[in-house]
Amino acid sequence: AQTVTQSQPEMSVQEAETVTLSCTYDTSESDYYLFWYKQPPSRQMILVIRQEAYKQQNATENRFSVNFQKAAKSFSLKISDSQLGDAAMYFCVFRDNYGQNFVFGPGTRLSVLP
Amino acid sequence: DTAVSQTPKYLVTQMGNDKSIKCEQNLGHDTMYWYKQDSKKFLKIMFSYNNKELIINETVPNRFSPKSPDKAHLNLHINSLELGDSAVYFCASSQALLAEHTDTQYFGPGTRLTVL
Repeated sequence: AQTVTQSQPEMSVQEAETVTLSCTYDTSESDYYLFWYKQPPSRQMILVIRQEAYKQQNATENRFSVNFQKAAKSFSLKISDSQLGDAAMYFCVFRDNYGQNFVFGPGTRLSVLP
Repeated sequence: DTAVSQTPKYLVTQMGNDKSIKCEQNLGHDTMYWYKQDSKKFLKIMFSYNNKELIINETVPNRFSPKSPDKAHLNLHINSLELGDSAVYFCASSQALLAEHTDTQYFGPGTRLTVL
């Protein structure tokens, strides 16, 4: 069974600075998808970025980018120029290639300090 | 224009009652999901339906019964509510399971269930 680990329960960053959230996962599959979701206090789950495992190029989405290391099974999220609105719980998510198994990590609570 | 909606947003009820949470998506997606998020924010999938057919049924008590009248709706009915059922329940949807670029899930706003 797949597992997702986020070793940082809480992190903080100064506004306008850069922060990296770590995520590792365990799977025996070669094709799969990885996501970062953000959950602000409103509880809405918002997709931040996605990565297909067969793509070597790291996904980027405006101020958000990932460092995907397939061999190491690592999928970290970098947030540049942090903004107050980035404060939220961030979940790393694994999805298998058959789409039948979404596995969420335990989450990292990010605080952004003014 | 809400993509995935859930009602109610908050639900407070007594132990032993039966309650339902409704979910609707207007994205034309084929697959819908129910997740439970506990007090420690841990999110776990409960059910997945594809075109009104049950695909995933994780180990949840059979007091929980999903019902999909059509592919735009996936309701969650809970019988004989227990204190441990208190959590936030999220509905989500995605396009067909195996199609390209369709693995992204869109989540509803969540329903906070409190069992007294």
